[in-house]
Amino acid sequence: ETGVTQSPTHLIKTRGQQVTLRCSSQSGHNTVSWYQQALGQGPQFIFQYYREEENGRGNFPPRFSGLQFPNYSSELNVNALELDDSALYLCASSFTTTQETQYFGPGTRLLVL
Amino acid sequence: AQKITQTQPGMFVQEKEAVTLDCTYDTSDPSYGLFWYKQPSSGEMIFLIYQGSYDQQNATEGRYSLNFQKARKSANLVISASQLGDSAMYFCAMRPKTSYDKVIFGPGTSLSVIP
Repeated sequence: ETGVTQSPTHLIKTRGQQVTLRCSSQSGHNTVSWYQQALGQGPQFIFQYYREEENGRGNFPPRFSGLQFPNYSSELNVNALELDDSALYLCASSFTTTQETQYFGPGTRLLVL
Repeated sequence: AQKITQTQPGMFVQEKEAVTLDCTYDTSDPSYGLFWYKQPSSGEMIFLIYQGSYDQQNATEGRYSLNFQKARKSANLVISASQLGDSAMYFCAMRPKTSYDKVIFGPGTSLSVIP
């Protein structure tokens, strides 16, 4: 059984650019959630995808968008990058939307200059 | 408002000793799940232990136990026999049933285990 994987591990972008982060869910998991973790803080929920549909969203602007594919892998897209978007982006998968435990990937560290 | 509070920004513990990390939560939801995650410097969030709000017994997982006091809305993590590898950030988190899509995290506690 493979765990949650994310790519890339690190990324440097400049303000105004666009970025795509990728996540492969744990085998058998059909739900993927994305979180943003700024330095020194706890993760903040961005959104969740279940069966290729957005299933819930946190307090993030529309320039944060996502996709989920038939194999349950997922992408997080951020347009018009701002300096404050610099953070660790974590992907978590679970078997269903109501399963209690989410399992996290290693994260992608994004730096916006 | 749903919120997690961790009042200890940093903690030190001697190797082989037990340590308690505090967590209080606020929710009006009658049904919720409580979690603890460990985050080493590498960044990966590692699931440690889960407690359901209607569970009668406190959860235990190896050296980890959760001291759940529902009336006080607290869910403290107890780590027994601390090891050097336990040095990390620890996050308390909550998943209310009415907003099951999201997990709400606290600000975290940094634990350092001293040899």
